[in-house]
Amino acid sequence: ETGVTQSPTHLIKTRGQQVTLRCSSQSGHNTVSWYQQALGQGPQFIFQYYREEENGRGNFPPRFSGLQFPNYSSELNVNALELDDSALYLCASSLSTSEQYFGPGTRLTVT
Amino acid sequence: AQSVTQLGSHVSVSEGALVLLRCNYSSSVPPYLFWYVQYPNQGLQLLLKYTSAATLVKGINGFEAEFKKSETSFHLTKPSAHMSDAAEYFCAVMGYSGAGSYQLTFGKGTKLSVIP
Repeated sequence: ETGVTQSPTHLIKTRGQQVTLRCSSQSGHNTVSWYQQALGQGPQFIFQYYREEENGRGNFPPRFSGLQFPNYSSELNVNALELDDSALYLCASSLSTSEQYFGPGTRLTVT
Repeated sequence: AQSVTQLGSHVSVSEGALVLLRCNYSSSVPPYLFWYVQYPNQGLQLLLKYTSAATLVKGINGFEAEFKKSETSFHLTKPSAHMSDAAEYFCAVMGYSGAGSYQLTFGKGTKLSVIP
């Protein structure tokens, strides 16, 4: 059974740029959730995708957007990057409402 | 809306001593509760979950947690700490966020240090 994978591991972007983060869900899972974890904080829910549709969103602006593909993998896109977007971005996959399994995360640094 | 409070941002225990990490939750409906562990520069690993079955839940690596509705608590314990338990621990509650979406709301985490 393949776990949740994320790419890239690290990246550095400049303020105002756009970034795309990728996530492959665990085999058999149809739901992907994205979380932002700022340094020293717990993860915060960004949004969730189920069967290629966004079906829930946390308190994040529209410049945070996403996609889910037919194979249930997912992308997180962030436009107009701000310094406060620097964080660890975590992807979690699950089977509908079951427990969520997390990937290793992507560390984004915005300078 | 759901929320989680973790008491103590940093806990230190001696190797072999009892580990007790505290978590209190707020939920308007019967909660699903989770404990995750995060090692440095890694993602979150599920330790255990409570989903309204037995109130004493056993997880991996010798950890367990007890759901106490009257105290709205879900504290994590381990009888004997091991050096490899040093990590950050997060308590989370699952809540409905609309349109069929279930999100995790996390506490701020407790960093566990184990002293040899």
